[in-house]
This record gives sequence, C-alpha cells and structure tokens, in this order.
Amino acid sequence: GESVGLHLPTLSVQEGDNSIINCAYSNSASDYFIWYKQESGKGPQFIIDIRSNMDKRQGQRVTVLLNKTVKHLSLQIAATQPGDSAVYFCAENIRGSNYKLTFGKGTLLTVNP
Amino acid sequence: DTGVSQNPRHKITKRGQNVTFRCDPISEHNRLYWYRQTLGQGPEFLTYFQNEAQLEKSRLLSDRFSAERPKGSFSTLEIQRTEQGDSAMYLCASSFRLGLQGTGELFFGEGSRLTVL
Repeated sequence: GESVGLHLPTLSVQEGDNSIINCAYSNSASDYFIWYKQESGKGPQFIIDIRSNMDKRQGQRVTVLLNKTVKHLSLQIAATQPGDSAVYFCAENIRGSNYKLTFGKGTLLTVNP
Repeated sequence: DTGVSQNPRHKITKRGQNVTFRCDPISEHNRLYWYRQTLGQGPEFLTYFQNEAQLEKSRLLSDRFSAERPKGSFSTLEIQRTEQGDSAMYLCASSFRLGLQGTGELFFGEGSRLTVL
C-alpha cells in the first residue's frame, strides 16, 4: 500500500518570533540557490535567491545566508506570521546544469498564533 | 492570470490506463521543466525543454513517460500504462534564460495530482 505521513524536519514557532530554516548542500559546483515556499496542495512559490558570489541577501522580512565553506544555506523569516506556515525547500543549481534545480527535502514550518 | 497553468489539477485513473497532463508556461518563457513530487519529498527533475527542443531527461523518466513541446509554447506529459508508483504531483515550471539574460528562477504551476488505483 501507499506509505503516508511526512518525515520532514519540522519547526514550530510562535507568531511574531523569528524563524531560521537551515539547508545543507553537498555539491561545491552549486552556484545559485533559491528558497521556495510550498503550501498544501499548491506549487512551490519563489521567496528569495542568492548567487554563490554573495553570502547574504535580504528581501522583505526574509534573509538568506550562504556559507560556502561548510556548504550551508539558511532562511531567516522575521516576525513570523500564521500565513508563513508551509513547507520550505532550498534548491540549488549545479553549474552547467541549465538551471535544472535540485531540491532538498524541505522543512515544515508551523506558526502558532 | 499570467502564471504557469496546469491541467487537469487532479486525475484519478486505474492502473494500466494512459494519462496526459498539459502545461501552459508564462508566455515569454523559453524554458519549460517537468518535475515530480511525492508526499513528503521535494520536487524531482524529470525533463526540460528549451523552446521546442527536449534537452535533458532524467533517469526517472521511464519509457512509459513522454513529453512534448511541439511549438515551443505549451507542453504535454503523457504516462502510458500507469502504475501505482506513478501516483504523485506532477509540477511544471518555466523560466527565461538566453545566454546570460534571465535569472535561474523557476516559476511553478499548481501541479497535476495523479492517483493510480
């Protein structure tokens, strides 16, 4: 039979707190990274991106940090709101792969009111 | 709505039947990608087109799967002789990339969910 249930890393925060979602990647040839948000039953939605020649990029309420030394990416969400509840994926482009993005497993963020 | 459009949104079929999904990308986008996503997993790359040319196919794309983009606009993904293991969300994404123009951002549709009984 079909297996059910999520085996995602989960993060539960209170409304108004800051959230930090982490992602590790393994390919040193990755040159571009994107964070996507996916709500239940919907397609992934772009949040923010960063190129490998940067280590930080800020958007509205979101910041992405890239540490190439340890191959680590993080997404910081300021003043988390209930509408931020979703699964968050990091995706990487490996240089030369024509932006055929490789997605991580995802983190389920739950914001408690 | 000028986003990526996919249909049908849901398809329930019996094992052994053929199914076809359609994707209409953002109109000025020259690249189109198909991904598959199963419960609790991130999207997995299946294939991609630049204009009408299918430039890459994943090992995940068995002989039962075929994708086309005949005029470089909409695309179809057909699965023949469906199996229960084909049950998944099939996501289409598009982007514009020409030389160094355009970003790598993929714009995703809402997906077509397939259930094979």
